[in-house]
Amino acid sequence: QKEVEQDPGPLSVPEGAIVSLNCTYSNSAFQYFMWYRQYSRKGPELLMYTYSSGNKEDGRFTAQVDKSSKYISLFIRDSQPSDSATYLCAMSKNAGNNRKLIWGLGTSLAVNP
Amino acid sequence: DGGITQSPKYLFRKEGQNVTLSCEQNLNHDAMYWYRQDPGQGLRLIYYSQIVNDFQKGDIAEGYSVSREKKESFPLTVTSAQKNPTAFYLCATTGTGGFGYTFGSGTRLTVV
Repeated sequence: QKEVEQDPGPLSVPEGAIVSLNCTYSNSAFQYFMWYRQYSRKGPELLMYTYSSGNKEDGRFTAQVDKSSKYISLFIRDSQPSDSATYLCAMSKNAGNNRKLIWGLGTSLAVNP
Repeated sequence: DGGITQSPKYLFRKEGQNVTLSCEQNLNHDAMYWYRQDPGQGLRLIYYSQIVNDFQKGDIAEGYSVSREKKESFPLTVTSAQKNPTAFYLCATTGTGGFGYTFGSGTRLTVV
């Protein structure tokens, strides 16, 4: 069993839809949770990060962590064609310079105009 | 502009040849990482370095080598011992007190 599971999709939605992207994990020691967005043939860029449980909102994006269920989500409201990308979840046990991230495989999202 | 520069963007090599991928950063970050990305396999860590003149193997280091002679530079050599070198290679950095990786734009290596 992988430490982090993420449905690879592809996910196709109409413009304006609410998108829900999810990851589950097995290691209860993970405390730091991140979402990265990767456009085709580009490097990933950090979209949001959260520590421990709870919600974090940034514009149209909301990151949610439920440590009791070992489940994290990224919600995109009013999705736009420019949101079409692959979304990767990542998590780690500690912060600091020696942090190593455990990655999901990524979910491919297409927002259709 | 601060950032990470990976070069070249595309690289073609014949089987059996060593090839070196460049990664340069001007973010003054201490830690640097090399990842490999393949369809269906996600990001896999090859090597990482936390300080100059020190580096550690990641999960798939066989067939690769690195050096860290300067803080700004972390080149990756893909040797002929790497059985399946065709992939998208990503370099990343993290800074002390910061959070999350900053990635370069990647190098697509194709071995024919």
